[in-house]
Amino acid sequence: GEDVEQSLFLSVREGDSSVINCTYTDSSSTYLYWYKQEPGAGLQLLTYIFSNMDMKQDQRLTVLLNKKDKHLSLRIADTQTGDSAIYFCAESARRGYQKVTFGTGTKLQVIP
Amino acid sequence: DTAVSQTPKYLVTQMGNDKSIKCEQNLGHDTMYWYKQDSKKFLKIMFSYNNKELIINETVPNRFSPKSPDKAHLNLHINSLELGDSAVYFCASSQDLAGNEQFFGPGTRLTVL
Repeated sequence: GEDVEQSLFLSVREGDSSVINCTYTDSSSTYLYWYKQEPGAGLQLLTYIFSNMDMKQDQRLTVLLNKKDKHLSLRIADTQTGDSAIYFCAESARRGYQKVTFGTGTKLQVIP
Repeated sequence: DTAVSQTPKYLVTQMGNDKSIKCEQNLGHDTMYWYKQDSKKFLKIMFSYNNKELIINETVPNRFSPKSPDKAHLNLHINSLELGDSAVYFCASSQDLAGNEQFFGPGTRLTVL
């Protein structure tokens, strides 16, 4: 079955770059996502990438995809205290419907 | 305006009770979902509905019964609550079955004593 793994915790200083990594097992993954969950709230989609792309940039966010190694990363440039949250990697494959499998989540702590 | 809303936000109840959580979306989406997030923040899909029709049922105990009276609502009824049901339950919606973005509600924290 599908499996998505992430490291549990990352701590960075304000102004530095953060890199959150994710590995997945489903070779038929079509879409890969990054969601953000702030304390006491639901998840919010940050960005997603098609599996035929290897990079996507959106303002301070850069997503890199290594399809051969099934490795996805999210880089946040100039990390701010407001970026402190849990970041979930997720994947889905077109099987007539979207079933999204979420990773274990990485808690990002930004130190002022 | 709230896009995906859930009630109640907090629910504390005794083992063996029956409870319901309600979800409504005002986005005009066709597809709705229920997820369970455990104490370690692991998020797992439970059900999805498309236009009131059940699409995904992820080996959830049949004590959990979703009901979709119309495509804007997906309620979750839980019978005979157990300690292991304690979690945060999230409702979500997407444009349709192929929708890439899911919009999440604020969650309902269920505590079973």
